[in-house]
Amino acid sequence: ETGVTQSPTHLIKTRGQQVTLRCSSQSGHNTVSWYQQALGQGPQFIFQYYREEENGRGNFPPRFSGLQFPNYSSELNVNALELDDSALYLCASSSGSEGRSPLHFGNGTRLTVT
Amino acid sequence: ELKVEQNPLFLSMQEGKNYTIYCNYSTTSDRLYWYRQDPGKSLESLFVLLSNGAVKQEGRLMASLDTKARLSTLHITAAVHDLSATYFCAAPPGGGSNYKLTFGKGTLLTVNP
Repeated sequence: ETGVTQSPTHLIKTRGQQVTLRCSSQSGHNTVSWYQQALGQGPQFIFQYYREEENGRGNFPPRFSGLQFPNYSSELNVNALELDDSALYLCASSSGSEGRSPLHFGNGTRLTVT
Repeated sequence: ELKVEQNPLFLSMQEGKNYTIYCNYSTTSDRLYWYRQDPGKSLESLFVLLSNGAVKQEGRLMASLDTKARLSTLHITAAVHDLSATYFCAAPPGGGSNYKLTFGKGTLLTVNP
């Protein structure tokens, strides 16, 4: 059973650019969530997708957007990058959307905005 | 807005000692999650507590949930060096059926020989 995989592992972008981060869910998982973890902080919820529909969003501006595909893989897109977007971006998957099973996290993408 | 507070934020222990990490949350929530994170790594699920009074144990770690007090505890028994990591608790908003989790700031645990 493969776990949650994310790509790329590291990324350096310039302020104002756009970035796409990718995530493959664990086999059999139809729910994917994205979190942003700044250095020394706990993860912050960005949004969740269940069966290709967004069904929960945190306090992030619209320039953070996402997609979930029929195979349950997912993308996180960030437009007009700002310095404060520098963080570890974590994708997590689970079976079902009701929160009764644990979230399984990927290893994350470390984004640096200069 | 749900707030989750952990204490202590930093914990230095000697091997063999016991200690408890506390997790308070500000509004009604029916579930509580505990995660472990090693430096530079992702989060590993430790426990999912689904009801008031839930208690779960794995090795030297035991977690409990009191939804009336809005408190969860993570108890460490006879600590060993391998337990050194950052521990996070997280809760969803009350009635929420998704994974919109609010995490605490984490407790950095260092176990010394």
